[in-house]
Amino acid sequence: AAGVIQSPRHLIKEKRETATLKCYPIPRHDTVYWYQQGPGQDPQFLISFYEKMQSDKGSIPDRFSAQQFSDYHSELNMSSLELGDSALYFCASSPSTGANSPLHFGNGTRLTVT
Amino acid sequence: RKEVEQDPGPFNVPEGATVAFNCTYSNSASQSFFWYRQDCRKEPKLLMSVYSSGNEDGRFTAQLNRASQYISLLIRDSKLSDSATYLCVVPRQRSSASKIIFGSGTRLSIRP
Repeated sequence: AAGVIQSPRHLIKEKRETATLKCYPIPRHDTVYWYQQGPGQDPQFLISFYEKMQSDKGSIPDRFSAQQFSDYHSELNMSSLELGDSALYFCASSPSTGANSPLHFGNGTRLTVT
Repeated sequence: RKEVEQDPGPFNVPEGATVAFNCTYSNSASQSFFWYRQDCRKEPKLLMSVYSSGNEDGRFTAQLNRASQYISLLIRDSKLSDSATYLCVVPRQRSSASKIIFGSGTRLSIRP
């Protein structure tokens, strides 16, 4: 079965550079979530989209922005990168925003800021 | 109090043992609960969904105690491959969107 696709798998950037992470949800899933997971930490919710509109916002820095496109894929844009942004970034999708729908995660993008 | 709390462990048990750990939640209105397992540097993978009193899938049993507001995960006849971090997930109920709250995870290590 098709899963959530994230790209790139690994990304190395320098401080103050920008990065764009992409997420392709499972077909017919209209809700996308972004999470950041630092070493030894639980996933921290960043932002979510439902039907191409931002539906919820968590601890996302102002330097980050995201959007969901007409084909439901989503991109997380990160500017003025800092060393502390080094983490695993997961995208997840679900078939609705309802609380009864579990999330399905992509393999993640490992971002390293040097 | 955190919205979702788990015993971080680590739980270190021998192969074949039965192990259980709990997850407490603060929102009494929560209706659905999920257990995910996460291997090191990998994505969380859905293990079980709990919508009523509990759920059972092979060696894994999840039980919900609404009165005490906790969900437990029981693993019977544990295997080496069960070694992972187990994340409790409780969606926050909202009318138009759900923010999924993760517990900090319980680390489980199965030894031969």
